[in-house]
Amino acid sequence: DAGITQSPRHKVTETGTPVTLRCHQTENHRYMYWYRQDPGHGLRLIHYSYGVKDTDKGEVSDGYSVSRSKTEDFLLTLESATSSQTSVYFCATDTGTQETQYFGPGTRLLVL
Amino acid sequence: TQLLEQSPQFLSIQEGENLTVYCNSSSVFSSLQWYRQEPGEGPVLLVTVVTGGEVKKLKRLTFQFGDARKDSSLHITAAQPGDTGLYLCAGAAGNTGKLIFGQGTTLQVKP
Repeated sequence: DAGITQSPRHKVTETGTPVTLRCHQTENHRYMYWYRQDPGHGLRLIHYSYGVKDTDKGEVSDGYSVSRSKTEDFLLTLESATSSQTSVYFCATDTGTQETQYFGPGTRLLVL
Repeated sequence: TQLLEQSPQFLSIQEGENLTVYCNSSSVFSSLQWYRQEPGEGPVLLVTVVTGGEVKKLKRLTFQFGDARKDSSLHITAAQPGDTGLYLCAGAAGNTGKLIFGQGTTLQVKP
C-alpha cells in the first residue's frame, strides 16, 4: 500500500474559522486528489494536483483552496468553514496511469 | 457532466446468498474500477476493468464491464459476513487522471 497519511484525523471547528487539512505521501506519486464523502453522494472531487504547484478544480471546489509546494504534501484549506463542509475528507494519490488510486485514512471534520 | 448511477444503495442479505451491484452511466469510460471501503478507512481497489465485455474474477467476486464501456456489475457468490462494507464503482474520464464515483452500495451480510 502507498504510504498516505492525513492529519488531523478528527477536527471540530466553528463556522467562519479557517481550517487546513494535510495529506502526506511517501510513494513519490505525481497525482494527488482531495475528495469529500457524504451519505448518498459517494466521493466527490474537490481539487487535484498533477505536479508541484500544478493544481486544478474538481466538481465541488467552492470554498476550498489547495497548495502543493512539495511532491509529498498536498494541503486543503477551508478558507471560512461552513456547516455544509462537515464531511469526511479523503486524500488519494496515483501515478497517473489510472490503474489505481490509493486513499488515505480520512479526516472527519465537524463544523459547528 | 459524467455521472455514475449505482444500485442498489443498500443491501442486507443472509450469509450464503448471492447478490449483484450495478453501476450505470450514459457516458463511455476508458476504464472502470471497483473499490471496497470499511468503516473508518479509505477505499481500497478491488479491480480495474478496461476492455468492453471484460470479465474478471476475484475469488467469489465477479466483475463485468459492459460491451459499450458505459456500465459494470459486481456479482458476489455465497456472500459472507466479511464481505460487509461499502462498494464503490469509479469511472476514469479519458486521460485526465480523474475518477467519477458512483454513490456507493452499502452491503450488510448477516451470519
